[in-house]
Amino acid sequence: ETGVTQTPRHLVMGMTNKKSLKCEQHLGHNAMYWYKQSAKKPLELMFVYNFKEQTENNSVPSRFSPECPNSSHLFLHLHTLQPEDSALYLCASSQDPADTQYFGPGTRLTVL
Amino acid sequence: EDQVTQSPEALRLQEGESSSLNCSYTVSGLRGLFWYRQDPGKGPEFLFTLYSAGEEKEKERLKATLTKKESFLHITAPKPEDSATYLCAVQAYSGAGSYQLTFGKGTKLSVIP
Repeated sequence: ETGVTQTPRHLVMGMTNKKSLKCEQHLGHNAMYWYKQSAKKPLELMFVYNFKEQTENNSVPSRFSPECPNSSHLFLHLHTLQPEDSALYLCASSQDPADTQYFGPGTRLTVL
Repeated sequence: EDQVTQSPEALRLQEGESSSLNCSYTVSGLRGLFWYRQDPGKGPEFLFTLYSAGEEKEKERLKATLTKKESFLHITAPKPEDSATYLCAVQAYSGAGSYQLTFGKGTKLSVIP
């Protein structure tokens, strides 16, 4: 596989469930990102990792917990979500934080 | 606070009817302006980066231009396969070696055969 991949592509969960989103990049990049895309709203940056270290947390609620075990993998752990958290969650990567970001296909999350 | 406004929100064109999409921005210390294309249910696909006023870049039927306050994405003789949402984003330095992209809401383009 090439580029940025995300699994699962679709996820339906209840408010009491715990689930994780996975992102993998095959581009040899050092920076990885999580974004949230809701209908009628711009993409919202959630977290930034550079060389496995978190460098940005844009006031994201603690029910979202990121993990970056290495420069190729990024996870978003979800627990006790709310219906308003339903959105498309996008992962992106770049060579460094100043470089062009390349996006994965996204995970469509529905919270019931 | 960095702001990006895209207009129009939606645009319907006949095949072959050229037009332009606008992205106006206010940002402290612009490093670059990015254009992406997003198809329904997919992630944004990178198109162009512009770094300085007066810069232009072209790719097939698309040409992006940049001034100090706005960018235009010109679409010449569009085809139905150009139908997508076009996103504009500005990149600025956010401190401690970090840069942030601020996105607009996008322009949804529909090209009718």
